[in-house]
Amino acid sequence: AQSVTQLGSHVSVSEGALVLLRCNYSSSVPPYLFWYVQYPNQGLQLLLKYTTGATLVKGINGFEAEFKKSETSFHLTKPSAHMSDAAEYFCAVSDFSGGYQKVTFGTGTKLQVIP
Amino acid sequence: SAVISQKPSRDICQRGTSLTIQCQVDSQVTMMFWYRQQPGQSLTLIATANQGSEATYESGFVIDKFPISRPNLTFSTLTVSNMSPEDSSIYLCSSLLAGRYNEQFFGPGTRLTVL
Repeated sequence: AQSVTQLGSHVSVSEGALVLLRCNYSSSVPPYLFWYVQYPNQGLQLLLKYTTGATLVKGINGFEAEFKKSETSFHLTKPSAHMSDAAEYFCAVSDFSGGYQKVTFGTGTKLQVIP
Repeated sequence: SAVISQKPSRDICQRGTSLTIQCQVDSQVTMMFWYRQQPGQSLTLIATANQGSEATYESGFVIDKFPISRPNLTFSTLTVSNMSPEDSSIYLCSSLLAGRYNEQFFGPGTRLTVL
């Protein structure tokens, strides 16, 4: 069974500061890893994904994440926070066990950006 | 990418009634999913909607409570039956595009409040 742990349900950063949202996963097979963002009263939007290849993945809005197999981590970072980054962020893992893709989401981290 | 629409976007319902949520995708997709996002929580997969056959339900979800239809490749419905206040949640439709098995697209969600 696969699982995702997001450390910190709420993270506050100052505008212009580094954003770091933590995600650790467990999976019995090589995983696909994702970060999604959810703005208030909206659905989920894919930020970035790791499937195979380069372990540093760049996404939209200046976000990036690094897949570290030895640490089973996929932390999300952005060098400089912007007010528009305030949202909830979900880490997710998927695999094809059982013959079809199954995605498991973390509990989410709400990012607050302080002016 | 795929654009997913859901109807209704929100509803307030009385205990004991049922609500059917519609999901329409603008592309032919291989798999469609229904998720629930309870207040302050992450997404939980309810079931995989299979075209022309019964949906595949996750542990803790049953067909009598959440009947699902998928008459074609681009449309699915989820019914929340005999509702109670505990069913108050956001219900999200999601899909995988044919040939792109590593990215799920999400609808905007249906916000359900049961009184």
